[in-house]
Amino acid sequence: DAKTTQPNSMESNEEEPVHLPCNHSTISGTDYIHWYRQLPSQGPEYVIHGLTSNVNNRMASLAIAEDRKSSTLILHRATLRDAAVYYCILRDVVSNDDMRFGAGTRLTVKP
Amino acid sequence: DAGVTQSPTHLIKTRGQQVTLRCSPKSGHDTVSWYQQALGQGPQFIFQYYEEEERQRGNFPDRFSGHQFPNYSSELNVNALLLGDSALYLCASSFKSGQQDYGYTFGSGTRLTVV
Repeated sequence: DAKTTQPNSMESNEEEPVHLPCNHSTISGTDYIHWYRQLPSQGPEYVIHGLTSNVNNRMASLAIAEDRKSSTLILHRATLRDAAVYYCILRDVVSNDDMRFGAGTRLTVKP
Repeated sequence: DAGVTQSPTHLIKTRGQQVTLRCSPKSGHDTVSWYQQALGQGPQFIFQYYEEEERQRGNFPDRFSGHQFPNYSSELNVNALLLGDSALYLCASSFKSGQQDYGYTFGSGTRLTVV
């Protein structure tokens, strides 16, 4: 019952920007868009989340399409430490649904 | 400020045995969720505890049960272990606050191996 669609894998070169796409065509008005990443042998780590407007923090930027049916996580300058599995998750804040993870996108960063 | 703490970090059990995993949430968090992550897959939601009650449950059998204590810490119990229960068990904590969404903090997990 995954509500998001992400590519299985992506590659990037070190110090170049990375754009990780996520499709969520059935998003509702109260669904927040969350991004988490999981480095090898660690638990998932919060990256960023947003509802309607684009968001920026020290780790990344989140660009949300005007119709909210897709979003893009932007890493401005990829480093080797950004190699991880990135998960895009919708969470309905009204129903307080829990986080439901899909398979995510495995990002490989090449030196 | 300590994040989410899980114990033990690794565990080996025999089929049919029972296991208890423990989680201390991040300071200020009142909600604990448990996940099972098989090798190469995304985390699968088991259940969530808030105010010492199970509030939501994923598609897991009754062999999986839990508890939340007044200090918000939580335990995950699995009875009659199967080989297929071998996985990384993750605990995540969060703060419930009306319609604000603050995201989750995850622990590093407990690696359970059933032999």
